[in-house]
Amino acid sequence: GAVVSQHPSRVICKSGTSVKIECRSLDFQATTMFWYRQFPKQSLMLMATSNEGSKATYEQGVEKDKFLINHASLTLSTLTVTSAHPEDSSFYICSARVRGKEQYFGPGTRLTVT
Amino acid sequence: DAKTTQPTSMDCAEGRAANLPCNHSTISGNEYVYWYRQIHSQGPQYIIHGLKNNETNEMASLIITEDRKSSTLILPHATLRDTAVYYCIVRSTGQGSGTASKLTFGTGTRLQVTL
Repeated sequence: GAVVSQHPSRVICKSGTSVKIECRSLDFQATTMFWYRQFPKQSLMLMATSNEGSKATYEQGVEKDKFLINHASLTLSTLTVTSAHPEDSSFYICSARVRGKEQYFGPGTRLTVT
Repeated sequence: DAKTTQPTSMDCAEGRAANLPCNHSTISGNEYVYWYRQIHSQGPQYIIHGLKNNETNEMASLIITEDRKSSTLILPHATLRDTAVYYCIVRSTGQGSGTASKLTFGTGTRLQVTL
């Protein structure tokens, strides 16, 4: 299957700072990338969908000014959590897909805001 | 998107077949059934998907009922490494050009494989 990587795998930051998470499709060009968030003992919740070169589409209830998504190329998308607070602590997972193909997930990034 | 219903948890003895059911009674004709699994603290892993016909790959088999209202994922010889949360997802087709179809995760079935 296709490989999707995320960096960093874990990050701890202080409240009020911003954190950037990278998502890369390593062996394919992704037309669409997705960002999910997962709280402990809960399922994955879709945050936003982005197509290369266009603005991301955010799910209801997700603040677009807080969770900045950039999908500058067919192999890279970034999620920036701005002015992070402890309630933003979560497991963030990206996913990438080529049109008409299966969707592949990254290993996730565990964010802890202190 | 059609919703899915899965049992919260299941146990399976190692070496035996694990049969994970999923109900999707409101599925529409052009929606696929996808199965993913998530091992603790990892990203979801694609397993298999199907539309109408039964499907088999190196990981599992997918049996879809004729009315498409339910399906069963079969792991033929479960191992301890198959312990995970298994998600049955009906995938939307999206609307309009450039709109991506989404995978919406439910609560899944927590499969525990035991010795």
